Amino acid sequence: EAGVAQSPRYKIIEKRQSVAFWCNPISGHATLYWYQQILGQGPKLLIQFQNNGVVDDSQLPKDRFSAERLKGVDSTLKIQPAKLEDSAVYLCASSTRLGQYFGPGTRLLVL
Amino acid sequence: AQSVSQHNHHVILSEAASLELGCNYSYGGTVNLFWYVQYPGQHLQLLLKYFSGDPLVKGIKGFEAEFIKSKFSFNLRKPSVQWSDTAEYFCAVTHGSSNTGKLIFGQGTTLQVKP
Repeated sequence: EAGVAQSPRYKIIEKRQSVAFWCNPISGHATLYWYQQILGQGPKLLIQFQNNGVVDDSQLPKDRFSAERLKGVDSTLKIQPAKLEDSAVYLCASSTRLGQYFGPGTRLLVL
Repeated sequence: AQSVSQHNHHVILSEAASLELGCNYSYGGTVNLFWYVQYPGQHLQLLLKYFSGDPLVKGIKGFEAEFIKSKFSFNLRKPSVQWSDTAEYFCAVTHGSSNTGKLIFGQGTTLQVKP
């Protein structure tokens, strides 16, 4: 079974630029999550989708972050404009009732 | 606010030593408990999980964890560590019976095993 796929793996941008991350969950997983992991901390949920509907986006900074999962499969997370404090690893996960499975993450550095 | 606390930020052990990593959570309702491991350069992997039943759960690579409800704890143990166990370990919880809610993670414990 293929795992969760993410791209790109690394991204370096300057502040105020925009960036987008892509995630393809495990086939058949209806629930998809985006987490932000800042260096030295555990991951924190940004947004959770159930199929193409948003379940929880309470921690998403909506003035600059947006996410979509239009067909209930792939998802895109966008940051516009980026700030220095957005430097982090962005993790995508998908789940069944048995647990969440994580992709390799996108490491973002904002200069 | 709901939170997960891991007591040790950085642990250094010699091979064959025993390991116990502490984890406490703050939530009085139904919880599902997890330990994830992140080896250097790799993504987060599920080590073990507790949903219900026997509070002593066994995971991969000889790890086990014990859920003690009265102490709100879910400590990770391994009787004899190996150099290959060097990694970062995260305790996490979800709330409720559906187990598809968000994971709340602790801050992680870096384990360094000396050969």
